Amino acid sequence: AQSVAQPEDQVNVAEGNPLTVKCTYSVSGNPYLFWYVQYPNRGLQFLLKYITGDNLVKGSYGFEAEFNKSQTSFHLKKPSALVSDSALYFCAVRGMEYGNKLVFGAGTILRVKS
Amino acid sequence: ETGVTQTPRHLVMGMTNKKSLKCEQHLGHNAMYWYKQSAKKPLELMFVYNFKEQTENNSVPSRFSPECPNSSHLFLHLHTLQPEDSALYLCASSQPTGSNEQFFGPGTRLTVL
Repeated sequence: AQSVAQPEDQVNVAEGNPLTVKCTYSVSGNPYLFWYVQYPNRGLQFLLKYITGDNLVKGSYGFEAEFNKSQTSFHLKKPSALVSDSALYFCAVRGMEYGNKLVFGAGTILRVKS
Repeated sequence: ETGVTQTPRHLVMGMTNKKSLKCEQHLGHNAMYWYKQSAKKPLELMFVYNFKEQTENNSVPSRFSPECPNSSHLFLHLHTLQPEDSALYLCASSQPTGSNEQFFGPGTRLTVL
């Protein structure tokens, strides 16, 4: 089976400060890992993915994520948060043996205050 | 979001009604998906279609009936729904290999009275 945990329901950060949204996963074999963002009344938007290679992945809007195989984590980071980053963030995993079936975490609300 | 469109954006229906949700993708993808998003619950995969063939039915009640007439269109036919079926229904598409990200539509907000 494959699963994703996002341990924080909400993360609060001041504008200009670095942010981290946590994600851990469980899957047999090597994972494909994804981050998506959802703004109110919108669908999910793809931010970045880890497939293989460099553990630090860079994505849209200045976001990046670090794959840590030993800790089975894929935390989302940004060096300097913007108020416009406030949204709902989802981590997702797909094990290579699961075809194109993606499993999502419960989501983390990010609030950036000015 | 313009790559995947969904209609209607909002739908209110009674428990005895029959309605359909429509999804269209303009990205040349060969896999399409239906998800259910309820408040404070993880996104639930409902159905997967690869090359117009259903490859996943995630124990979805038969009152939800999907249809995929071609690789660009996906429907979700609804009948005799329950109030707990009220949710945001999201359509997505991708290429069918595992490393490809999915592209989502804006969703249909469904309310069952």
